[in-house]
Amino acid sequence: DIQMTQFPSSLSASVGDRVTITCRASQRIATYLNWYQQKPGKAPKLLIYAASNLQSGVTSRFSGSGSGTDFTLSIRSLQPEDFATYYCQQSYNTPPYTFGQGTKLEIK
Amino acid sequence: EVHLVESGGGLVQPGGSLRLSCAASGFTFNTYEFNWVRQAPGKGLEWVSYISGSGSTLYYADSVKGRFTISRDNAENSLYLQMNSLRAEDTAVYYCARLSVSGALGFDYWGQGTLVTVSS
Repeated sequence: DIQMTQFPSSLSASVGDRVTITCRASQRIATYLNWYQQKPGKAPKLLIYAASNLQSGVTSRFSGSGSGTDFTLSIRSLQPEDFATYYCQQSYNTPPYTFGQGTKLEIK
Repeated sequence: EVHLVESGGGLVQPGGSLRLSCAASGFTFNTYEFNWVRQAPGKGLEWVSYISGSGSTLYYADSVKGRFTISRDNAENSLYLQMNSLRAEDTAVYYCARLSVSGALGFDYWGQGTLVTVSS
C-alpha cells in the first residue's frame, strides 16, 4: 500500500502569513493527490484535486503543486477561517486511498 | 444540491454488529463510486472501504477486512456499511464520501458523519 507522510504535523502562523504544508508519497503517484480541510466537528472539505486544481468554490488563496512523490499545499494571506487541520490523500490507481496524518494549523 | 446523510451509529458492545446507512440525493446516484472514511476521536482520517457504481467492485482496509461489508442499493439511492465483530478500535465517526467523476478528482462530497462507539 502507498503510505503518505505529511509534515509538519502542526504549524503556528499569524493572520496574513503564507504557509506551506508538504506531503510525500512512498511511491510515485503522478498527480493523484488531493488536499482536504477539516474544522472541528465537521466533515472534511475538498480543497485541491489532482495536485494543483482548485475545487469549485474554494478561494484562490489556496494552491497546490507537485507530482511524483512530493507535493505541497500553500495558503497565502492567512485568514481566521483558514485555521483548521489539513490532510493530503492519494487516489492513485485502486484503493486503499490513504490519507496523510494531518497538519493542524493554529493561530500564533 | 448534493446531500449525503449518514445514520445508524450508536453504542455497541465489543463483538457486536451495527449497520450504517448513507442516504444520497441531488445527483444520479448509480453513476458515482463511494467510500467510507472514519476518524477515531482526536485522530486523523482513515479510509475504510470503496464500492463501484454498480456495486460489483469492492475494496477494504486491512483493519476491517473480513469484518465489514460495504454495499449499495441504487434503487434506493443508499450506501451501507455492515460492521460485524466490532472492536474498541473501531470507535470513530464514520463518513460516507462520494468519489468525484474519477479517482483523480478526490472525494468531492461528504456526509456529516455518524458516531460509532464500541464499549462494554
